Amino acid sequence: AQSVTQPDIHITVSEGASLELRCNYSYGATPYLFWYVQSPGQGLQLLLKYFSGDTLVQGIKGFEAEFKRSQSSFNLRKPSVHWSDAAEYFCAVGETDSNYQLIWGAGTKLIIKP
Amino acid sequence: DGGITQSPKYLFRKEGQNVTLSCEQNLNHDAMYWYRQDPGQGLRLIYYSQIVNDFQKGDIAEGYSVSREKKESFPLTVTSAQKNPTAFYLCASSIRGPNTEAFFGQGTRLTVV
Repeated sequence: AQSVTQPDIHITVSEGASLELRCNYSYGATPYLFWYVQSPGQGLQLLLKYFSGDTLVQGIKGFEAEFKRSQSSFNLRKPSVHWSDAAEYFCAVGETDSNYQLIWGAGTKLIIKP
Repeated sequence: DGGITQSPKYLFRKEGQNVTLSCEQNLNHDAMYWYRQDPGQGLRLIYYSQIVNDFQKGDIAEGYSVSREKKESFPLTVTSAQKNPTAFYLCASSIRGPNTEAFFGQGTRLTVV
């Protein structure tokens, strides 16, 4: 069965430091990949998505992600985090032959140290 | 502005009572979804609907029911059969198809008292 793994439940970084959140998926074909962000008690907002083409995609709020087929990964990066980036981040995979479902990772909670 | 509206934001229910969560969208999306979110478990799909008058069970449909009488509306009823209903519930919608982004409401936090 297809799955999405976010190996880090929590990550703590200092304000101004760089960030990388990991996402690995298990899927045979080329997947459709998404990163969402959720502030406490709120819904999810799309940060970026990859469907095809350039494997480095840019998103909102200064985030980017790189699709690496050989590693089945779609890691999220930001060169310098701000305190407002503290939130939970979810990776999701859409299947080309799906019944219209996204498969979700368990999420990574980002904590920013002042 | 287009978007998805969930109401209420907070809901308290006594054990044994059914309760209905509202979800309305004005994005003209065909597909709508209900997710349940518990700490550390990500999003779990309860029900989804690809078109009016049709819906399908997700991974955790037991104890829940839905209807899709209008394109804009996809209410979720949490029945007394749901053994552990306290959770954060998220509604989402998308253009019909597996590879399109989902747009989310702000969620409803249900607490059983």
